[in-house]
Amino acid sequence: NAGVTQTPKFQVLKTGQSMTLQCAQDMNHEYMSWYRQDPGMGLRLIHYSVGAGITDQGEVPNGYNVSRSTTEDFPLRLLSAAPSQTSVYFCASSKARGRMMGYTFGSGTRLTVV
Amino acid sequence: GIQVEQSPPDLILQEGANSTLRCNFSDSVNNLQWFHQNPWGQLINLFYIPSGTKQNGRLSATTVATERYSLLYISSSQTTDSGVYFCAVGYSGGSNYKLTFGKGTLLTVNP
Repeated sequence: NAGVTQTPKFQVLKTGQSMTLQCAQDMNHEYMSWYRQDPGMGLRLIHYSVGAGITDQGEVPNGYNVSRSTTEDFPLRLLSAAPSQTSVYFCASSKARGRMMGYTFGSGTRLTVV
Repeated sequence: GIQVEQSPPDLILQEGANSTLRCNFSDSVNNLQWFHQNPWGQLINLFYIPSGTKQNGRLSATTVATERYSLLYISSSQTTDSGVYFCAVGYSGGSNYKLTFGKGTLLTVNP
């Protein structure tokens, strides 16, 4: 049982490049989400999903796209990277129905845009 | 949206001391979780506690939902307790699984 797996752990992009941050969970969780963490800002919600085929915007969605084609995977796409997207990105999952339990986080992706 | 305030922002302790971290929130919640982010950046769920009291070893948490606050108690602190502690809440008027995070309390435990 691997939990939540994020790849890559580190990435450096040039302004304007695109990339996809991968997130996979093996706990059959309905809810998956992406957060970014910036110094002094806590964690802010980018996008989230409550099941395959369903996604919605969080607090800071601009510049990011997501899709949820399977229960297990929830990739985050940066279409044209900007220096303001330099951050640490965390994927999290949890049950969304029935007996609620806590979030499980991935280990994070540290992204630098130069 | 719902506001989450954590206090104190920073706390320095000697090993063996006890501490209380506080989380105030601005509206009714049906989901409240405490997390520990260790110095290597890993986020670990400590408690799912929308109301009541829970204990896990040296850590315990209490949420008084009617008064809109939660407390995290750390007893006999150890250097491995160092890191940032986050409180996160789910608004009752929204989705109980979508969490808003506070800015955290940075705890340093010195040997």
